Amino acid sequence: NAGVIQTPRHKVTGKGQEATLWCEPISGHSAVFWYRQTIVQGLEFLTYFRNQAPIDDSGMPKERFSAQMPNQSHSTLKIQSTQPQDSAVYLCASSLGGGGTEVFFGKGTRLTVV
Amino acid sequence: GDSVTQTEGPVTLSEGTSLTVNCSYETKQYPTLFWYVQYPGEGPQLLFKVPKANEKGSNRGFEATYNKEATSFHLQKASVQESDSAVYYCALVPTNSAGNKLTFGIGTRVLVRP
Repeated sequence: NAGVIQTPRHKVTGKGQEATLWCEPISGHSAVFWYRQTIVQGLEFLTYFRNQAPIDDSGMPKERFSAQMPNQSHSTLKIQSTQPQDSAVYLCASSLGGGGTEVFFGKGTRLTVV
Repeated sequence: GDSVTQTEGPVTLSEGTSLTVNCSYETKQYPTLFWYVQYPGEGPQLLFKVPKANEKGSNRGFEATYNKEATSFHLQKASVQESDSAVYYCALVPTNSAGNKLTFGIGTRVLVRP
């Protein structure tokens, strides 16, 4: 079990460019989450899929951020027109189900917008 | 909405001394409570969870009791080691929720000096 795999581990983009982050959840896990981590805000929930369907995107900035899960083996987080304040570690996580089952995190993608 | 408040770090202590990281929570639902630990370059990983009030969770010498009356879930360890240096996150999820969206505290950085 390789755990949750996130690629790339580091990404540097210029202001205004697009960034796409990739996540491969643990095989068999039905729930996939995206979180953003910064020093100031800590771990912030962005969005959540269950069986590939979007369930809760209440944490997603309404403009420029989008997430998809085209199949059960990967999810993407896309940020259009990146801004310096988007610089953060983006964490993907997966779990077998709901109600307090263990959530497993990937190592994250560190996005730096210059 | 749900919220978690925990000790502000960094907490610096010497090997062999005791550690307490305070955690309090607010939710209108019945939560499962978690402690996660994050090491440099890694995603958060589960330390332990407690789904029921008045029960204690423990792992690797760390423990915490789910105090429903006080809405607290303080992390304790009697004798820390240098390898315990990490960031510790208190978190909750509504137990009966079909989802599994974790609400995290800000995180407490713990530094253990040899």
